[in-house]
Amino acid sequence: GIQVEQSPPDLILQEGANSTLRCNFSDSVNNLQWFHQNPWGQLINLFYIPSGTKQNGRLSATTVATERYSLLYISSSQTTDSGVYFCAVDSGGSNYKLTFGKGTLLTVNP
Amino acid sequence: EAQVTQNPRYLITVTGKKLTVTCSQNMNHEYMSWYRQDPGLGLRQIYYSMNVEVTDKGDVPEGYKVSRKEKRNFPLILESPSPNQTSLYFCASSLLTGGGIYGYTFGSGTRLTVV
Repeated sequence: GIQVEQSPPDLILQEGANSTLRCNFSDSVNNLQWFHQNPWGQLINLFYIPSGTKQNGRLSATTVATERYSLLYISSSQTTDSGVYFCAVDSGGSNYKLTFGKGTLLTVNP
Repeated sequence: EAQVTQNPRYLITVTGKKLTVTCSQNMNHEYMSWYRQDPGLGLRQIYYSMNVEVTDKGDVPEGYKVSRKEKRNFPLILESPSPNQTSLYFCASSLLTGGGIYGYTFGSGTRLTVV
């Protein structure tokens, strides 16, 4: 099946810093999403981005489907950005299953 | 507000006592699915449904049942829960188009402990 690798596994930032999270996937995808899992366990959808670039406030994402990677940018980080960021892909199987990466644990210190 | 609603958020139960975790979405989505999240194993698909009365197994269906009698509801049933079903459960829904699904929306999760 499709492999999804995220880097870095852990990231510690000071409030106000910028960061880039990376997601590499091993095959073509129909769907790619970025999620934030907050400390209460909720999975928050950040971007649906199978290709191209999107921005939402301090967050933006770029997916280069031909090179099989996606990047999530967080600018001017805040303590509320802490949590685990997951990249998840759907490679087009009949079950439309999302395959998740192992996530990046982001800690933003005040 | 468009959302997927799961209940309960937290549940502690005993081995063998049947339970149901409810899931409801208000977005008229055709596709719904259940996942479980475990440390070291990530999120794994349990069951999915393409529409009313159409359900199928995901990667880890053993010990679970589902039903889809109405488009908006997709309950997860544990007929005889065991401790290895202690996990964080997520329900999700998505619009189903000719090109596939158009992004997942997840519920807030149900943290289940079976003792």
